[in-house]
This record gives sequence, C-alpha cells and structure tokens, in this order.
Amino acid sequence: QPVLTQPPSSSASPGESARLTCTLSSDINIGGYNIYWYQQKPGSPPKYLLYYYSDSDQGRGSGVPSRFSGSTDASANTGILVISGLQSEDEADYHCMIWSNSGGVFGGGTKLTVL
Amino acid sequence: QITLKESGRTLVKPSQTLTLTCTFSGFSLTSSGMGVGWIRQPPGKALEWLALLYSDGDKRYSPSLKSRLTITKDTSKNQVVLTMTNMNPVDTATYYCARRPRVGAHFDPWGQGTLVTVSS
Repeated sequence: QPVLTQPPSSSASPGESARLTCTLSSDINIGGYNIYWYQQKPGSPPKYLLYYYSDSDQGRGSGVPSRFSGSTDASANTGILVISGLQSEDEADYHCMIWSNSGGVFGGGTKLTVL
Repeated sequence: QITLKESGRTLVKPSQTLTLTCTFSGFSLTSSGMGVGWIRQPPGKALEWLALLYSDGDKRYSPSLKSRLTITKDTSKNQVVLTMTNMNPVDTATYYCARRPRVGAHFDPWGQGTLVTVSS
C-alpha cells in the first residue's frame, strides 16, 4: 500500500504563496498518478480543489479560484499544491490523495496557518 | 444541486455491526461511470478511504478493511449503504459519503459526515 507523506503544518502570511507538499513512497512513481487535493475547514467536510497529472492534464473543481494550482517535483517524487495570494480564508487542512492499484490513499494532511 | 447525507446509529458497542446509509440527490447512480464512496476520519486524524461503488455494480474496498466492509446500493431510493462488522473503539470516526463523478476520479461533493462512536 503506497504512503503519502504531508508535513503536519505550514504557515505563510497574507498575500504570499504557500507551497504544500505530498511525497509519495518510493515504491510508486509520481509520474504515473493523478494527485488530488482537498481543503477542509474546521467542522466541515473536505472540499475538492483540483487534480494534477501534468501541465497539460490538470483541472480545478467548480468555483475553485485560479489562485490554487498544482505541480509536481519528479526528482522528489512529490506533488505540490500552490496557493498564491494567500487569504485568511485559506487557513484550513489540506489533504492529498491518489488512486493506487489497491484503492484510494490519502496523505496525513497539512494544517495551513495564515499568519 | 447535488447533496449527500449520511445517517445511521451514532453509538455502537464493540463487536457490533455498523450500518450507514448515504442518501443522495441531484444525480443518478444509474449514470455510466458514476460512483459513491465512503471515507472516514478519526478525530484529529487523517482521512481514510473505505469503499467505492460504481453505477455498474463494481465494488472496491480498502485492502486493510475489506473483510469487514460491504457496500450496496438501492437505486430506487438513491441510497448507498455501508456495513462494517466487528466494530472496535479505533473505528470511532466521522464517516463521510461522497460522489465520484462520471468524469474524473475525485470525490465531489461530500456529505456533512456522521460521527460514529464505538464504546461499551
């Protein structure tokens, strides 16, 4: 079963960019997977943000601002969620997910604090 | 508007079977490629995918929980039911159902979730 590792916490100031990472275990190559990102605010269910496979194969959920974007760092086997122009409302938990041969796998989540 | 809502017992005793119902509206589980999944989240912890049911009846389960899970659908009632046997206190979590659309492999939207506590 693959493992997705996310830093427990991250912080950035309003107006700055936040870069949240999701590192896949070494037994799988990020190049073969869509990375899905979800945002979860306290007391609410997760909300789908976007998926990223490549620059030519990516998409955002309905109503998700273009401030949210995805990328990967193949050398680090890592998926990345970039939030530009941070706003206070972006403070939330962010979860990454992939579909492996054995089913859905979520990362541990990153709590983003907007300072 | 697409909505999903989870319902079922919120307090179960160890060794009992949990039955949760996801009642949805705004889409049909007869549409080709559509799916409904279950995901849980223990308090303060990570999301964990449990099961997925497709419109064609195909079912997928988390390998670590497969022996305890069953997912079924009642298309006429727009419901998907998840049963989990032999409940344990570590299964205490908020259980969510979510739609997996025809195009894409993401979950969107999610139900509000229901907190299930396992305690004697």
